[in-house]
Amino acid sequence: KNEVEQSPQNLTAQEGEFITINCSYSVGISALHWLQQHPGGGIVSLFMLSSGKKKHGRLIATINIQEKHSSLHITASHPRDSAVYICAVIVQGAQKLVFGQGTRLTINP
Amino acid sequence: NAGVTQTPKFQVLKTGQSMTLQCAQDMNHNSMYWYRQDPGMGLRLIYYSASEGTTDKGEVPNGYNVSRLNKREFSLRLESAAPSQTSVYFCASTRLASGAGVYEQYFGPGTRLTVT
Repeated sequence: KNEVEQSPQNLTAQEGEFITINCSYSVGISALHWLQQHPGGGIVSLFMLSSGKKKHGRLIATINIQEKHSSLHITASHPRDSAVYICAVIVQGAQKLVFGQGTRLTINP
Repeated sequence: NAGVTQTPKFQVLKTGQSMTLQCAQDMNHNSMYWYRQDPGMGLRLIYYSASEGTTDKGEVPNGYNVSRLNKREFSLRLESAAPSQTSVYFCASTRLASGAGVYEQYFGPGTRLTVT
């Protein structure tokens, strides 16, 4: 079983829909990253959080440390949000990231 | 700042050939990492360097070697390329995020390697 599990693996939605991507992990962590990877492109860090909630524009990330769960929400989704979203955790006491397999999001106009 | 840079962007090798992937960062980060990304597998750590002068194996180190040339540069070498090493390779570096004691990672643009 992977230490970091994301769901769904693939998600297709219409423009304007509210999107939720989930991440569950089984190890103790010091922080969690949400990353975005566009087709053919590099990887960009969207959020790093260790508690509570963060918001950047239409993106919201939440984390529940007790439940070992994080969610990434996108409000008013747009075709340019189409990308792979990757959850990664920083294992407690380590300097390494452990990655989920990613969620491929497609937003249709 | 250029951030994290990688060269080359694309490379095709024949089985048995060798090559070195170059990575450099200009953010004065201590730690640097090499990952590979394969379809359905997510990102996997090959090697990392917590600080200048140190390197450690990650999850999938076989068939690779690394050199932390100085604080800026961290190279990945394939001595005898195999088709199983066809992948996209990402270099990353970290700085200490202020106050939180955790590490924010910055990624290079990736190198797409095909071994035939």
